[in-house]
Amino acid sequence: ETGVTQTPRHLVMGMTNKKSLKCEQHLGHNAMYWYKQSAKKPLELMFVYNFKEQTENNSVPSRFSPECPNSSHLFLHLHTLQPEDSALYLCASSPAEGIHNEKLFFGSGTQLSVL
Amino acid sequence: KNEVEQSPQNLTAQEGEFITINCSYSVGISALHWLQQHPGGGIVSLFMLSSGKKKHGRLIATINIQEKHSSLHITASHPRDSAVYICAVHSNSGYALNFGKGTSLLVTP
Repeated sequence: ETGVTQTPRHLVMGMTNKKSLKCEQHLGHNAMYWYKQSAKKPLELMFVYNFKEQTENNSVPSRFSPECPNSSHLFLHLHTLQPEDSALYLCASSPAEGIHNEKLFFGSGTQLSVL
Repeated sequence: KNEVEQSPQNLTAQEGEFITINCSYSVGISALHWLQQHPGGGIVSLFMLSSGKKKHGRLIATINIQEKHSSLHITASHPRDSAVYICAVHSNSGYALNFGKGTSLLVTP
C-alpha cells in the first residue's frame, strides 16, 4: 500500500463515452502527477499539479482534461478517446514538485481500453 | 532516442542467482531512481541516488556519475523478485523524470 489510491482499476469505454479517472493520496503531499504507460514504451508524463496549480502539460491532447480540486485529489476526465489511448494510466504524488531528492509514490493504475 | 537506456530488456534467472540490471543515460542528472513494477501495474520506488551506492535488503544500487551509468543488483534472487524494473532520471535541465523502458525479470524456482 503506497498511500495513493486510483479508481477504477479497469475501464472499458467506447470512443463516444465520457468517463473520469480518480486519484486520492493520504500522504500530505503537494504535488500530483498523471502518467501514461503504453506497451513497450517508457512512462510518459502527462500533467503535473503543484499546490493545486497545473505546472506541466506535456502536449497532451485536449480529449484528456485534468482537474485538481485540492492537494489530495486528482481527476483525469476523458472524452472522445481513440483506440490508441488504450494504456495504463498511473497517478503519483510527491511532497512537492521540483525538489530532486524526493521519491514518487505511485497508485496501482487504471488499465484503460478504448473500443 | 530515449535519454535513458536499460539492459537487458528481458532477463530470466534461476532462484538464488545474482542479478544485474543496467541503466545508462545521456544527460546530466541530479538524481536517479530505480522503480519496481509488479504485474497489475503498481509501481514502488526502490532507490533514489545521486552518488555512490545504496543497499536495502538483497537489493543494491550503484551509480557512476562520470560514466553516466547505474546498476541494480539483486542477491539471492527469489521468484517474488519477478517484476519490471525501471530506471528514471531527473535531468539537470528540468524537473520531470525521464524513464527507461524497463527490464522484465523472471525468477524461476
